[in-house]
Amino acid sequence: GENVEQHPSTLSVQEGDSAVIKCTYSDSASNYFPWYKQELGKGPQLIIDIRSNVGEKKDQRIAVTLNKTAKHFSLHITETQPEDSAVYFCAAYVRGGSNYKLTFGKGTLLTVNP
Amino acid sequence: DGGITQSPKYLFRKEGQNVTLSCEQNLNHDAMYWYRQDPGQGLRLIYYSQIVNDFQKGDIAEGYSVSREKKESFPLTVTSAQKNPTAFDLCASARELLQSNYGYTFGSGTRLTVV
Repeated sequence: GENVEQHPSTLSVQEGDSAVIKCTYSDSASNYFPWYKQELGKGPQLIIDIRSNVGEKKDQRIAVTLNKTAKHFSLHITETQPEDSAVYFCAAYVRGGSNYKLTFGKGTLLTVNP
Repeated sequence: DGGITQSPKYLFRKEGQNVTLSCEQNLNHDAMYWYRQDPGQGLRLIYYSQIVNDFQKGDIAEGYSVSREKKESFPLTVTSAQKNPTAFDLCASARELLQSNYGYTFGSGTRLTVV
């Protein structure tokens, strides 16, 4: 079926290390892949996105890579800081009948230890 | 500043009682969504709407109802048929449902508890 798989479900790193979260998707027609950060008790916030016509996008310490052939994309956070601790969700647009809608991974709880 | 506002932040529901969660956006977005977030389950779609006076069931619509009388507003009613004891319900909006190039803007959520 149409789904997005996200791994790992929890990730603990030391401050200053890098963190990588990976997602796979099933619909080959998907062409937009956003990443969201959710802090405790708040709604998810868009932090970076990538479209299918590029393979990588960077924004300061955050980068996303996309491999359309393999149908997977990843979030990379470098020089992690304690304020990066949050739940991160990947998403992909999948077809639902005649419409597209975002389907989300189950989330990764990232803990950055000082 | 444009944004999406959910209220209340916390809501307590007695068994057998219906309650309504508010969601308002001033982003001029066409599409609006309701998601429920449960631990370990991620975000699951309850209902969505792409235009005024039209809405569709999502994956977990049982026990919920919605209306879309205005573009800016998409209230969610949780009925007594919804058995989940606690939930974190999130409202979101997007520029256009039929386009696949725009992300969603989320509200801050409503924590609903059955007492």
